[in-house]
Amino acid sequence: KAGVTQTPRYLIKTRGQQVTLSCSPISGHRSVSWYQQTPGQGLQFLFEYFSETQRNKGNFPGRFSGRQFSNSRSEMNVSTLELGDSALYLCASSGTIPRETQYFGPGTRLLVL
Amino acid sequence: AQSVSQHNHHVILSEAASLELGCNYSYGGTVNLFWYVQYPGQHLQLLLKYFSGDPLVKGIKGFEAEFIKSKFSFNLRKPSVQWSDTAEYFCAVNAENQGGKLIFGQGTELSVKP
Repeated sequence: KAGVTQTPRYLIKTRGQQVTLSCSPISGHRSVSWYQQTPGQGLQFLFEYFSETQRNKGNFPGRFSGRQFSNSRSEMNVSTLELGDSALYLCASSGTIPRETQYFGPGTRLLVL
Repeated sequence: AQSVSQHNHHVILSEAASLELGCNYSYGGTVNLFWYVQYPGQHLQLLLKYFSGDPLVKGIKGFEAEFIKSKFSFNLRKPSVQWSDTAEYFCAVNAENQGGKLIFGQGTELSVKP
């Protein structure tokens, strides 16, 4: 089976812009979670989607949003980018049973200038 | 709030030395526990997991971890490390009322000297 894929892999934006990141889960997986990884804060949970519904949300401002499509693919959007949004954004997918093992993609590295 | 604490930020060992990385979590209910590894330039990979049953779990590449419920700990061990074990190791907890949300520790960077 192909693993979790994320596009794009690298992105450079300027402050105030918005960005959309994409994640394709492992075939058959219905849950997608997003995490932000930075050197200072480590890995922090953004949100989780299951069957097109947001099931859980972390402590991030409303500028961070996401959605999931009927084929389980997910997108994450960040509006009005700030310098502090520079990070590695990781997507993870898991199966149909809640709290299963999550498998991570390679991430999208976002640099905000 | 739930939290995960990894005791060591950076560990340096020589090849063949034994490894133990500490992980403690704060949550009184049922948890699933994970160790993930991130090799240089690669993505997070699952090393091992504990859901229930035998508290001593074995993972890939000779790693094992022991869940001690009374101590809220899930320490990672390997009897003899190799240079190829150089990586960052993350402990993560999934609580029973949190869906798929993983709470990660700060990570431990392991450097193995050949």
